[in-house]
Amino acid sequence: LAKTTQPISMDSYEGQEVNITCSHNNIATNDYITWYQQFPSQGPRFIIQGYKTKVTNEVASLFIPADRKSSTLSLPRVSLSDTAVYYCLVPSLLSGGYNKLIFGAGTRLAVHP
Amino acid sequence: NAGVTQTPKFQVLKTGQSMTLQCAQDMNHNSMYWYRQDPGMGLRLIYYSASEGTTDKGEVPNGYNVSRLNKREFSLRLESAAPSQTSVYFCASSVTGTGDEKLFFGSGTQLSVL
Repeated sequence: LAKTTQPISMDSYEGQEVNITCSHNNIATNDYITWYQQFPSQGPRFIIQGYKTKVTNEVASLFIPADRKSSTLSLPRVSLSDTAVYYCLVPSLLSGGYNKLIFGAGTRLAVHP
Repeated sequence: NAGVTQTPKFQVLKTGQSMTLQCAQDMNHNSMYWYRQDPGMGLRLIYYSASEGTTDKGEVPNGYNVSRLNKREFSLRLESAAPSQTSVYFCASSVTGTGDEKLFFGSGTQLSVL
């Protein structure tokens, strides 16, 4: 199974950069890495997706090393509103098909004033 | 463009009652999913439908049934509700089953079984 491992929780302060790393040792050739953000009482929402090297959008950056066995979500200058749970998702045929999208426990990020 | 719409938003059931959670998407997506999320926990996949006419079990299918009514709609049925099924249920959809899948979620149904 393409299982992912993330830290359970992280703390930060407003204005700091936050990096959340996800391990996915069994990633397969065609797998992309996708990150989602979930606020309390809401469904997760897509943040960023990448295959290799670096991807940047208006919300975050995603760094993926050459071996693709891990990825790092980088949130620049966080604010209180970035307090949420962040999930790394790697779909894989090894999990029973690309549609069998299984989430890990996610990382609870708390941003403090 | 509403995206993924779930009904109802809240529901209270007594043990043994049945109910159906409705989900509809207007993005012309092929794949649809049902997840449950217990308080303070991550999402667990109940069932999914890769395309119209197909459904498959996820991680926690026991006690649930699903119907992919058409390309837009994917319903989840609890035949005999149990307190252990108290949870928030999320429906999601995606374009198709490839390695670069992006999920779009509904706002959830909060279900309490007494």
